[in-house]
Amino acid sequence: GNSVTQMEGPVTLSEEAFLTINCTYTATGYPSLFWYVQYPGEGLQLLLKATKADDKGSNKGFEATYRKETTSFHLEKGSVQVSDSAVYFCALSSTGFQKLVFGTGTRLLVSP
Amino acid sequence: DTGVSQNPRHKITKRGQNVTFRCDPISEHNRLYWYRQTLGQGPEFLTYFQNEAQLEKSRLLSDRFSAERPKGSFSTLEIQRTEQGDSAMYLCASRRDRGPEKLFFGSGTQLSVL
Repeated sequence: GNSVTQMEGPVTLSEEAFLTINCTYTATGYPSLFWYVQYPGEGLQLLLKATKADDKGSNKGFEATYRKETTSFHLEKGSVQVSDSAVYFCALSSTGFQKLVFGTGTRLLVSP
Repeated sequence: DTGVSQNPRHKITKRGQNVTFRCDPISEHNRLYWYRQTLGQGPEFLTYFQNEAQLEKSRLLSDRFSAERPKGSFSTLEIQRTEQGDSAMYLCASRRDRGPEKLFFGSGTQLSVL
């Protein structure tokens, strides 16, 4: 079945550091890939998405590229801020978007 | 969009009791999803509706769980004879069919079974 594997956290960084959170997936067909973010006390929000191979999703300085050859969708940001502290979830949807399958989440802690 | 609304925010119950949660999706969102999230884990799919039709149920959803969406608007999730293992955050999400591939999530209902 479809599944998503994320690097374990927490990831602890200083402000302005470079961020990478690894995500790999297993899926049949042509899934769409997503990063969702959960800020403390809030619901999950879509951060970015990519719907086909080699697409790059970007938002709020975060980027991720859909790599079919390595089945990966790593999240990157060049310079993190304290306000980026949250839990980040990688997810995929099967062809036709019936539902989302999530990874276990990676907590990011950014200190001043 | 007024957002996806879930009630109650918190529910504490004793083992063996029944509980019911409500989800009000964004209006005109005809797809509605239920997920369960335990501490340190990602959301796990439970079930989803297209309008009033329940189209898929996860094998995680035991016979003690039932979800309804009688008029294709709000939905309820009932857990009968709760067990301590049912303690989790129950999340509701919605989207418009043929709309953007994006789920809008509510803030969830935190269930604690004592």
